[in-house]
Amino acid sequence: NAGVMQNPRHLVRRRGQEARLRCSPMKGHSHVYWYRQLPEEGLKFMVYLQKENIIDESGMPKERFSAEFPKEGPSILRIQQVVRGDSAAYFCASSPSGQGDQPQHFGDGTRLSIL
Amino acid sequence: GENVEQHPSTLSVQEGDSAVIKCTYSDSASNYFPWYKQELGKRPQLIIDIRSNVGEKKDQRIAVTLNKTAKHFSLHITETQPEDSAVYFCADRNDYKLSFGAGTTVTVRA
Repeated sequence: NAGVMQNPRHLVRRRGQEARLRCSPMKGHSHVYWYRQLPEEGLKFMVYLQKENIIDESGMPKERFSAEFPKEGPSILRIQQVVRGDSAAYFCASSPSGQGDQPQHFGDGTRLSIL
Repeated sequence: GENVEQHPSTLSVQEGDSAVIKCTYSDSASNYFPWYKQELGKRPQLIIDIRSNVGEKKDQRIAVTLNKTAKHFSLHITETQPEDSAVYFCADRNDYKLSFGAGTTVTVRA
């Protein structure tokens, strides 16, 4: 019974490159959430997706960041033209529904480092 | 909700003693309050949660209390053990979005 799977675990990019982070939700879960965690801080909501739909992207920067959750395959968080400030741990969580009392289960995260 | 305050930021306890972490929230529509434990370099793990229609919940050495009137909720860990050392995050949830506190680093001294 696999949990939320994220890859890669670690990603190193140079400034100006693109970063693509992948997340496969738990089996049976169709709701995906992305959070960002800066060092020694709590997690900050970025975006909430269902299959083929972005429900809420209010926590995601308007420029350079995009997310998708296609009908087939994992959810992708894409960061274009990365800058040093993008260095962080990016966590994906999933839940079976979007109802407020459903637990969100997290993946192991992708630690993004920008050189 | 958007604003979740968590205290203290660090907590050191002797093994066997209790640890208490407190959080306050501002969004009266919040209806779900999870607690996560995160060890260094690992994922946040859900350890206990409480829904707004319940005042207290216990699971072995961990308990959570909720005071909706005062918008407070607390995590209590009894008989602490070295493996309880980690960063603990409270969160509230209105609809689907989790808003996290800044975290409490708990150190259990042997």
